[in-house]
Amino acid sequence: GAGVSQTPSNKVTEKGKYVELRCDPISGHTALYWYRQSLGQGPEFLIYFQGTGAADDSGLPNDRFFAVRPEGSVSTLKIQRTERGDSAVYLCASSLAGEDTEAFFGQGTRLTVV
Amino acid sequence: AQSVTQLDSQVPVFEEAPVELRCNYSSSVSVYLFWYVQYPNQGLQLLLKYLSGSTLVESINGFEAEFNKSQTSFHLRKPSVHISDTAEYFCAVSGVGTDKLIFGTGTRLQVFP
Repeated sequence: GAGVSQTPSNKVTEKGKYVELRCDPISGHTALYWYRQSLGQGPEFLIYFQGTGAADDSGLPNDRFFAVRPEGSVSTLKIQRTERGDSAVYLCASSLAGEDTEAFFGQGTRLTVV
Repeated sequence: AQSVTQLDSQVPVFEEAPVELRCNYSSSVSVYLFWYVQYPNQGLQLLLKYLSGSTLVESINGFEAEFNKSQTSFHLRKPSVHISDTAEYFCAVSGVGTDKLIFGTGTRLQVFP
């Protein structure tokens, strides 16, 4: 597709369950980012991939959160033992290599933990 | 580390009036600065950015922002707003040599007819 695609657009899960959120970046973009946006807040950085490797995962809140990008394209954000506080919109962005290049955002996955 | 402060959570304004959305940042290193816009039911889109050179940067739809290093500010301005400018606006900073954006909490611009 032409833009960053995130699936599902909405996800409702029960507390304690495991969830996976998927991001398809723009073709050719080597950099991929995950952010989390809680209600009334700006996006909060979680993790950054350059190619297949996580170049910076300093924003992951705890070890329940994990992300992979095995082939340097699609990425999956995995959350174990979900908690109600994990409810937020999870945003993915991609860009060409380089710190000054534009990051293109997907529309996000709204995760609700009940 | 970097941080961003957007003091105004909401800015109501009438159509054709001027508007300024304030953004202040802090950083121990040189920075790149960005404004992103999020229209209702859409994803974040880059509005404009400052990387280097001229401190005044402009967008294609009439917004401008000026990088003021001494005041650590990057305020967004438009001399005459339109109804279609109604959106959430986020200021963001990244430290030179880093790759992650640090966002402010956003300012909701509401333009009334």
